[in-house]
Amino acid sequence: QVQLVQSGPEVKKPGASVKVSCQTSGYHFLSYGLSWVRQAPGQGFEWMGWTSAYNGNTNYAQKFEGRVTMTTDTSSSTAYMELGSLRSDDTAVYYCVRDSISFLYGLVLDYWGQGTRVIVSS
Amino acid sequence: SSELTQDPAVSVALGQTVRITCQGDSLTTYRANWFQQKAGQAPLLVISGKNKRPPGIPDRFSGANSGNTASLIITGAQAEDEADYYCNSRDSGPDHWVFGGGTKLTVL
Repeated sequence: QVQLVQSGPEVKKPGASVKVSCQTSGYHFLSYGLSWVRQAPGQGFEWMGWTSAYNGNTNYAQKFEGRVTMTTDTSSSTAYMELGSLRSDDTAVYYCVRDSISFLYGLVLDYWGQGTRVIVSS
Repeated sequence: SSELTQDPAVSVALGQTVRITCQGDSLTTYRANWFQQKAGQAPLLVISGKNKRPPGIPDRFSGANSGNTASLIITGAQAEDEADYYCNSRDSGPDHWVFGGGTKLTVL
């Protein structure tokens, strides 16, 4: 079955960087993109960006341009999201999500990792 | 980017039917997907934009679309359906995806 397993919680100081990993299994890694979505405490979801597992192409939300880097390691079917210059309002749960285009379901974020809690505090 | 608007809270009596709505300009181009999120858990896809349920999702969940409005319909709501529900769709702007603010469903 499809699984996305993320790295553990992080506590960072303002100005630092955080790198979250997302190990995938149960599907052909190269055939799907991966989006990263975050959810601040008590809030809704915010799309951060997307990366192609096939060729490494990326598309970042304007809000995060220059501060976020999304990469993939095809040898281990793992995706990474690094966010720099952290601020207190970056405190959130960060999710990796399989970004799918299928005949059956259409355009959909169909499988989510369990989430990684990142706390930014001095 | 575009915005999707949801009512913050909706309630339904046990066993009754409830409709949760989502409005936005992007829905005139792209269909909405619906996610269920329970406290402390990751979101779970319950209905895709093509009104398909992933394996394991009960058939009491369905979707509907009309113009710039999408609806999640739960026919015969159960206690375990109490959760936050979020719509999302492709964005008609530069971003890939846009999300609604979520609807808290209470089953009475």
